This record gives sequence, C-alpha cells and structure tokens, in this order.
Amino acid sequence: AQSVTQLDSQVPVFEEAPVELRCNYSSSVSVYLFWYVQYPNQGLQLLLKYLSGSTLVKGINGFEAEFNKSQTSFHLRKPSVHISDTAEYFCAVSDQLGGSEKLVFGKGTKLTVNP
Amino acid sequence: GAVVSQHPSWVICKSGTSVKIECRSLDFQATTMFWYRQFPKQSLMLMATSNEGSKATYEQGVEKDKFLINHASLTLSTLTVTSAHPEDSSFYICSAKTGDTGTEAFFGQGTRLTVV
Repeated sequence: AQSVTQLDSQVPVFEEAPVELRCNYSSSVSVYLFWYVQYPNQGLQLLLKYLSGSTLVKGINGFEAEFNKSQTSFHLRKPSVHISDTAEYFCAVSDQLGGSEKLVFGKGTKLTVNP
Repeated sequence: GAVVSQHPSWVICKSGTSVKIECRSLDFQATTMFWYRQFPKQSLMLMATSNEGSKATYEQGVEKDKFLINHASLTLSTLTVTSAHPEDSSFYICSAKTGDTGTEAFFGQGTRLTVV
C-alpha cells in the first residue's frame, strides 16, 4: 500500500516570493506521482505528473516538481507566486501495477499568498 | 483537458431520504471512475472504484449498501447515498479516466451534500 505525507498543512508566503510545498511518499512498488490544485468548493485540477523519464517535471501555471527516488520525495516549487495561486495543493501517488491506478492523496497543503 | 461534469453541485436533503449524484465524462469514454469523499480541511478519501459494466470495488470501511454506485455506461457513473444521515454530509468528488496506463484522471467539480 502507498501513503503520502505532506509535511506542511499551511504555507503563507508573500506575492512574488518563491515557494516549495513538500511531499514524501511510501510505496513498495514503483509509482506515478501527481500534484493537484483545488480552489474552494471545486474539484481538482492536475498541475503536473511524473510517470517516467526526466525527474524534473514542469507543469501548468509555472509550477515544477522534482522526483527524488532516494529520498522518496516529490516537492512542488514555483519561483514567484501570485495571489491567484492561493489554493489547496494535494500530492498523490498511484502504483504502476494493475489496471485501476487509484490515487492515494496526501492531506493537502493550503498555500496562502499575501500581497 | 477533458471535462467531467458532476451534478448537482450542491444538495440538501432530509434525514432518511436518498440522494443521487451523477458523474459524466463529456468528451471521452471513461473506462474507470472513482468516487471520493472529502471532509472539511482534509484530504480526499477514496470510497470506491467503478469500471463500466461491472460492480464497483469499495474501499475498506465503506458501506456498499449505503453508497450505491452504478457505472452503466462509458460516460456516466452515479453515486446514491441511501437513507442519508447528518454524518453523511460531506463533499463528494468523482474522477474519470480512460483505461490507458498512466493517463490523467479528470475530476468533477464536486457535490456538497448537506443532510438535515
């Protein structure tokens, strides 16, 4: 079974500052890794995903994440945040075995960007 | 990206009644659909996985007789909360994906259920 730990429940930052949202995972098999963003009372939107290949993954809205297998981490970064980036961010994993590929989510990190 | 439409976006029902939530993939065929429940300020908890034409697979601790899932076509899955109680009040989210390995799961906008 997989598990995901998002170390920070809340991250406040000022506009135009860099941000890193941390994610660590645990799995006995190879995994796919995802970051999703959720705005209030809405579903989830995929920011980026790692399936294979380059460990540095670029996503939408200027976000990127780096897969580190030895540290079992997949931290999300953005060099300069905007007010509109204020939202809840979820890291998720799914295993590469089987057909359903169900996602296991972390508890989320609430990013608040202040002016 | 592909669109998943969830309906209704919010619903209020009385205790003891049943409520149905629909999840539709509008522009792709969803071989697999997932139903999640999200408590306030918490993560999404997978309730069940449904594949078109077969019975849903429920996660441990989820009552299959209370949360009825039907995936009758490649574009529609429904979740029916039967004999609803106030503790069933929550945010329910569906997602849908094709059968291809590693493809993205697209999420609906969620349904806020309030049982009074």
